[in-house]
Amino acid sequence: EVQLVESGGGLVQPGGSLRLSCAASGFTFSSYWMHWARQAPGKGLVWVSRINSDGSTTNYADSVKGRFTISRDNAKNTLYLQMNSLRAEDTAVYYCARAFSGSFDNWGQGTLVTVSS
Amino acid sequence: EIVLTQSPGTLSLSPGERATLSCRASQSVSSSYLAWYQQKPGQAPRLLIYGASNRATGIPDRFSGSGSGTDFTLTISRLEPEDFAVYYCQQYGGSLLYTFGQGTRLEIK
Repeated sequence: EVQLVESGGGLVQPGGSLRLSCAASGFTFSSYWMHWARQAPGKGLVWVSRINSDGSTTNYADSVKGRFTISRDNAKNTLYLQMNSLRAEDTAVYYCARAFSGSFDNWGQGTLVTVSS
Repeated sequence: EIVLTQSPGTLSLSPGERATLSCRASQSVSSSYLAWYQQKPGQAPRLLIYGASNRATGIPDRFSGSGSGTDFTLTISRLEPEDFAVYYCQQYGGSLLYTFGQGTRLEIK
């Protein structure tokens, strides 16, 4: 069974940093592109970032480019999202998701990031 | 930038009825890269349909997807109580890579 478990969310002040992790199991992690998406409270889904299977290619939404960094450790079956210079508008539940044919076929349960003073 | 507009915003139906949800793109989307998700309160999204018309693993056959170009539809043939949720369409392609529609809330009438 595919499992994705996010961690690392919490309360952070504006301008602060946070690193999210996503532990993967039940599939060959190193074979898949992986993504982060987010959902602000009461709002819709927004794609954030993606990384290819060996970590050599990354892409970002314009809203986080230059502030967030996606990475992965295939030996540890773990995906990361380093978030710097956080803003109030980054407040959201962050999901990791597995790529599948231009869509996302498995999602974690999400981790809440709250940016507030 | 490809913008996806879903309609209606809210759909009120009864169990057993047929639901038709629309997703319109601001420019043509590859049918290979149009997906639909279901999300219930407090839960992660669940992939229902990929490639515009292919059901994901484990998805009941009362869910079907259709469409091409700029107009796509998710149909639920006979609503079950567990189908009442928010539904999102999503596309891959264009300068923003991945975009979602704003969602359609399917509520019990």
